[in-house]
Parts: sequence; C-alpha cells; structure tokens
Amino acid sequence: LAKTTQPISMDSYEGQEVNITCSHNNIATNDYITWYQQFPSQGPRFIIQGYKTKVTNEVASLFIPADRKSSTLSLPRVSLSDTAVYYCLVGDLRGGSYIPTFGRGTSLIVHP
Amino acid sequence: EAGVAQSPRYKIIEKRQSVAFWCNPISGHATLYWYQQILGQGPKLLIQFQNNGVVDDSQLPKDRFSAERLKGVDSTLKIQPAKLEDSAVYLCASSSSGTLYEQYFGPGTRLTVT
Repeated sequence: LAKTTQPISMDSYEGQEVNITCSHNNIATNDYITWYQQFPSQGPRFIIQGYKTKVTNEVASLFIPADRKSSTLSLPRVSLSDTAVYYCLVGDLRGGSYIPTFGRGTSLIVHP
Repeated sequence: EAGVAQSPRYKIIEKRQSVAFWCNPISGHATLYWYQQILGQGPKLLIQFQNNGVVDDSQLPKDRFSAERLKGVDSTLKIQPAKLEDSAVYLCASSSSGTLYEQYFGPGTRLTVT
C-alpha cells in the first residue's frame, strides 16, 4: 500500500508559482512530512519538513491542513533550474521504527 | 563541511560477478542509509544503520546483498552474484541524530550489469 500519492508530472513556466500536493492518508500521529528534490544524476536533496500548519524557508513553503492527510509544497516564482523530481516522504513503520519511504515522485518541468 | 562520499561513481560488470560499493558519511552522522534507485523510480531503502547496528534491512535481498558498517563510520555494500535486475544507481545517505528524515545524499554509484 503506497504511503504517499503524488501527481506523476507537472508543467509550469518561469516566474509562476508551483504547488505540488501529496496525499498521505495513513500518516502516523507523530510522523513528519518531508520533501526532497532530485536532479538527474544526483542524489536527492532535502528541501523542507513540517508537522502541521505552515513551514517556510528560503526555498519553499509547506502547507499542511489540520487533518494532516495531505500536504502541499509551494515553489514561488520557479525558474528553469527548478526542473527536477520532487518527492514527498512519510514514515513506514517497520520493526518498531518509522522508516522514511520515497514514492515515485513528481517530475516538474519548467518551460521558458 | 564535506559531503557524503561514494566510490566508485560508475561500475560495469557481467552477471554473476561480484561488486562492492563504498560510502563515507558526513562526519558525526550516526545514521547511514543505502538506497537502490532504478531508472524512473524513487529510491528504495535497502538498509539503515544506526552507528554499528542495523535499524532496518527488510528490503535487502539477503541472498545476494550484504552491507556492513565497521566502527560506525564507513560502510560497504556488496552484491554477489549480480543479476541483470541489479542495474541501478546505489545511493548512500547519512543523517544526524535528532533530525528526522533530513538526510544528506552522496552522488551515487551507477551499476550496469550485462
């Protein structure tokens, strides 16, 4: 059973705001939501993490509703260099520990 | 601060041969992860170490894959014998205690099994 569900792909244009939504209906009460970015031929890079409400850093914002069954990664004013795969992670309980689990991710293509 | 180091970056072997990958995590990071990433898919966790101990290896094909982390620092991942379906990028990541899921990844090793 997939822990997270995201759109497979999205297209945008330079300067636009991009919102990528992730569904995680079975998230554990004490679990966090984490987003990563991956460029071709590189390892994933941590973007942002949150537990509830809104988190903002210099790269992105993360919106989490009260029921925590989904989250939205918001990228303000994207550029061509934001073209990448974006992964939403929650924990998968295995052997008493929450193990972060990657899904298939969302491939974002930013057009000029 | 130096990042996660991996070697080699690329490896081509024939099926049934053996191969080993090496990872040096960020200094002071207690947790080390090995992932397998097949083209077009997200990384799949193979094994997670906390210092010297294994936290999770439920997705490690133990009949052919093995991993160790001596002295709680460097780690090696071995495949013996390799199969065609092992062709993938093998990623190593590390994280410090208390930063849940904030992992730092190395550049990966691209393995091609022919």
